[in-house]
Amino acid sequence: AQSVSQHNHHVILSEAASLELGCNYSYGGTVNLFWYVQYPGQHLQLLLKYFSGDPLVKGIKGFEAEFIKSKFSFNLRKPSVQWSDTAEYFCAVNAGAGNMLTFGGGTRLMVKP
Amino acid sequence: SQTIHQWPATLVQPVGSPLSLECTVEGTSNPNLYWYRQAAGRGLQLLFYSVGIGQISSEVPQNLSASRPQDRQFILSSKKLLLSDSGFYLCAWSVEAIEAFFGQGTRLTVV
Repeated sequence: AQSVSQHNHHVILSEAASLELGCNYSYGGTVNLFWYVQYPGQHLQLLLKYFSGDPLVKGIKGFEAEFIKSKFSFNLRKPSVQWSDTAEYFCAVNAGAGNMLTFGGGTRLMVKP
Repeated sequence: SQTIHQWPATLVQPVGSPLSLECTVEGTSNPNLYWYRQAAGRGLQLLFYSVGIGQISSEVPQNLSASRPQDRQFILSSKKLLLSDSGFYLCAWSVEAIEAFFGQGTRLTVV
């Protein structure tokens, strides 16, 4: 079965700092990869996704992620974070029979103004 | 357009009581349906997923069960709640490999 690991559970940054959140998955076949974000008190919403093609994916609000197949990774990046980026971020993988969607444990990001 | 309804939004139940959380999807056919539990510091844990009516896969053995009596209805149940069942439960749907859409969630407190 596939699994997803997010190694950073809590990240604290100052505004304008650069962000990189790690995500690794375990599955040997074709995968679809996602990053979801949950702002305080709000629903989970899609940040960006990768299905195929260019491994560098751009999402909303200046976020991007790079799929590195050889490393089974899909790290999320943002060059300069804002206070409004404070949220919990989840990496997810959709693969295998039935397209089961599996999430990582999440990373809580706090951006200090 | 597609929408997902999940209810109730909050629920307080005594230990040993039964549970039934319902989720319905509108505007799509034959969706994949999911139940997740979100616990503080533990992210999103997949509990059950379903690719069709009557087809349920359980990811985590526990005190809960799921059923899909209709194409767009997904029910999370328990016969006797435990304190450890407290948490935030999320229903979600997706079609094929497209992104998942989440319900508003149910905050369950077992007392």
